[in-house]
Amino acid sequence: NAGVTQTPKFQVLKTGQSMTLQCAQDMNHNSMYWYRQDPGMGLRLIYYSASEGTTDKGEVPNGYNVSRLNKREFSLRLESAAPSQTSVYFCASSGQVIGYEQFFGPGTRLTVL
Amino acid sequence: GENVEQHPSTLSVQEGDSAVIKCTYSDSASNYFPWYKQELGKRPQLIIDIRSNVGEKKDQRIAVTLNKTAKHFSLHITETQPEDSAVYFCAAGGNKLTFGGGTRVLVKP
Repeated sequence: NAGVTQTPKFQVLKTGQSMTLQCAQDMNHNSMYWYRQDPGMGLRLIYYSASEGTTDKGEVPNGYNVSRLNKREFSLRLESAAPSQTSVYFCASSGQVIGYEQFFGPGTRLTVL
Repeated sequence: GENVEQHPSTLSVQEGDSAVIKCTYSDSASNYFPWYKQELGKRPQLIIDIRSNVGEKKDQRIAVTLNKTAKHFSLHITETQPEDSAVYFCAAGGNKLTFGGGTRVLVKP
């Protein structure tokens, strides 16, 4: 099992450009999450999907949109990137039955110039 | 919403000594309290977790305690080793987690 995978690993954008970060899990988990981690800081929840077909805002949703494409895949879109969105983005998944443990992907390092 | 405070932000210990990290949370509905370890450039990985119906849990050199009345929980690492050097995050919630700001632990040989 690959666990949680993310693409791309690195990305550089110019202000105003758009892009989609992809996330997939092969653990048959119901819940999926997108976090951002700024240097020297903790993880902040952007959006989450408790189950296929549902999405909800987290702590810092402004400037982002998400799509839960199916049970395996959860994408994060930046419509018009800003320098303040420079960060490392982590996707995570959780199979609620086993008690909420979240498994993280390897992260995407995004720089917006 | 939930608010999680974590202290200290940095912790330097001598190899073999113990390390203690403390977290407080605000939402009494939180019922799941995990601890994650993150090495430089890596993803966070769960090291131990505790649920609200349990006061203490131990796994080898790592233990976590929870005081629901006071809304605080702590991570204890005994007999620290250089490979314990990393950033540790606490979190609180249920299906949705709120993370603390992290503690950078340095174990000096």
